[in-house]
Amino acid sequence: KAGVTQTPRYLIKTRGQQVTLSCSPISGHRSVSWYQQTPGQGLQFLFEYFSETQRNKGNFPGRFSGRQFSNSRSEMNVSTLELGDSALYLCASSPERGTDTQYFGPGTRLTVL
Amino acid sequence: SQQGEEDPQALSIQEGENATMNCSYKTSINNLQWYRQNSGRGLVHLILIRSNEREKHSGRLRVTLDTSKKSSSLLITASRAADTASYFCATDTGSARQLTFGSGTQLTVLP
Repeated sequence: KAGVTQTPRYLIKTRGQQVTLSCSPISGHRSVSWYQQTPGQGLQFLFEYFSETQRNKGNFPGRFSGRQFSNSRSEMNVSTLELGDSALYLCASSPERGTDTQYFGPGTRLTVL
Repeated sequence: SQQGEEDPQALSIQEGENATMNCSYKTSINNLQWYRQNSGRGLVHLILIRSNEREKHSGRLRVTLDTSKKSSSLLITASRAADTASYFCATDTGSARQLTFGSGTQLTVLP
């Protein structure tokens, strides 16, 4: 099976802009979670989607949002970008049953100038 | 916020030696997992241990869990240069899809 894919891999934006990141889970996986990784805060959970519904949400401002489509692909959006949003954004997928393991994609490196 | 801390923050050893990393967490957990990350890339799952388990093995990896001390350790035996990476522990307290990560240990294995 193909792994989790994320696009784009690298992105440069300026403050105030918005950005959309995409994640395609492993075939058959219906749960998609997003994480932000920064040198200062480490790895932090953003949100999780299952069957097109947000099931869990981390402690991030409303500028961070996401959605999931019927084919389980997910997007996350960050509006009004701030310098502090520069990070590696990781997406993970997992099946609903059989394992609690999450499988991570390679990440999208976002730089905000 | 991070669930806990890992120590050491950095570890440098020779190839063939064993590497031990420790993870402490703050709240009761369902599962604890260990992940590896190479140079800011994606995370690779290594092993999962449930709260009712005390020890688990997978190849050269051995994980222990002490829920009374809220701590876990990861042992990599006979390390190789390819083991050079950052290692993170991650816990979940309800949903296994919402992980809380430790701060990570940077392991360098010298050839």
